[in-house]
Amino acid sequence: DGGITQSPKYLFRKEGQNVTLSCEQNLNHDAMYWYRQDPGQGLRLIYYSQIVNDFQKGDIAEGYSVSREKKESFPLTVTSAQKNPTAFYLCASSIYNQGAAYNEQFFGPGTRLTVL
Amino acid sequence: AQSVAQPEDQVNVAEGNPLTVKCTYSVSGNPYLFWYVQYPNRGLQFLLKYITGDNLVKGSYGFEAEFNKSQTSFHLKKPSALVSDSALYFCAVSAPSGSARQLTFGSGTQLTVLP
Repeated sequence: DGGITQSPKYLFRKEGQNVTLSCEQNLNHDAMYWYRQDPGQGLRLIYYSQIVNDFQKGDIAEGYSVSREKKESFPLTVTSAQKNPTAFYLCASSIYNQGAAYNEQFFGPGTRLTVL
Repeated sequence: AQSVAQPEDQVNVAEGNPLTVKCTYSVSGNPYLFWYVQYPNRGLQFLLKYITGDNLVKGSYGFEAEFNKSQTSFHLKKPSALVSDSALYFCAVSAPSGSARQLTFGSGTQLTVLP
């Protein structure tokens, strides 16, 4: 988990509320990612960012939003439009070299979100 | 589109015995293959990767993986399992592209090492 911090570790939300999950990295990585993990489904990509002020939708972006105003920060907002937000959320970062797909991703410790 | 299959949801092995966690992949072009491990309520930790060269890749904690192009497989192995190896293991694949969106993960295999 070194170099990437996520907060809070546990988060509880009432239905209809937006919540923001924090992700910070000090690895000087250009690329950052948000994944959702549900039991038996592995990791699904929500959003990713290759560079500051730019981000792209992943496979399950509906109901989520992100920003990338600083290289080291990539917060994720889970909006009330997300139908089933209870899950474990993982942030990751990696070196980004265009055309080179061999850089491993480094993961934060995760945030477990529960909607009450 | 690239994909990864981990055919076993659960693998049980006795401590001291060799272990294998299976992974097959589908990708256009040359694959880059990764193994990650996840302990309960933690993030993923990188174990090893195959980029090119020797088909046998050695990684952290005594793990190794063998790349087999003809069988499109990248099985994770360890000669002697430890109870502390019990965790969730993920295989992932990527291929050269212009996007940072590179990794596709398998659904994971829960490894339990029995004392």
